[in-house]
Amino acid sequence: DTAVSQTPKYLVTQMGNDKSIKCEQNLGHDTMYWYKQDSKKFLKIMFSYNNKELIINETVPNRFSPKSPDKAHLNLHINSLELGDSAVYFCASSQTVSYGYTFGSGTRLTVV
Amino acid sequence: GQNIDQPTEMTATEGAIVQINCTYQTSGFNGLFWYQQHAGEAPTFLSYNVLDGLEEKGRFSSFLSRSKGYSYLLLKELQMKDSASYLCAVSAQSGNTPLVFGKGTRLSVIA
Repeated sequence: DTAVSQTPKYLVTQMGNDKSIKCEQNLGHDTMYWYKQDSKKFLKIMFSYNNKELIINETVPNRFSPKSPDKAHLNLHINSLELGDSAVYFCASSQTVSYGYTFGSGTRLTVV
Repeated sequence: GQNIDQPTEMTATEGAIVQINCTYQTSGFNGLFWYQQHAGEAPTFLSYNVLDGLEEKGRFSSFLSRSKGYSYLLLKELQMKDSASYLCAVSAQSGNTPLVFGKGTRLSVIA
């Protein structure tokens, strides 16, 4: 069983479209995150949810809207996609700091 | 603010030892992590240090000096499969504050 699963793995879409990425974890963790990894491999936090509640929202355009229907799921919806949104998006979950994060396999988004 | 520095690239020979350094300046400190990321894959957890000193796990060891804001990851008996990016990350506050990652060090292991 995959601990943190993201779908889709690849997403190619045109500028201006709206798309969603889904994430589910079966580890029973309380906290979930979305990170963006750019072409230079820099991982930057976007959002953090704890038990379905938003606790961190970094300086992300409001075209990005996370939704957590329950603590096992954290989805990311992106409106009006732009070329600069092309990146790999990673979902992760954690329970306590000392055990670190478990990452999903990533979604490679390409906006053309 | 948070600042984490590590070298961009390193090259080492199969069978050798390599040390990847990381320096950090953060507003608080609740632990330092090392992650390994192979090309096209997700980062995977390698180590966690919260107290000063060396933590050893097989061929990999990680060291922390909180007073110096410094850590290193030591890889022994290098294998070709160790070619990957190594990410230093700091937990700046208690609780589940998101990790802040460095830009990663791409290690190439050559024969």
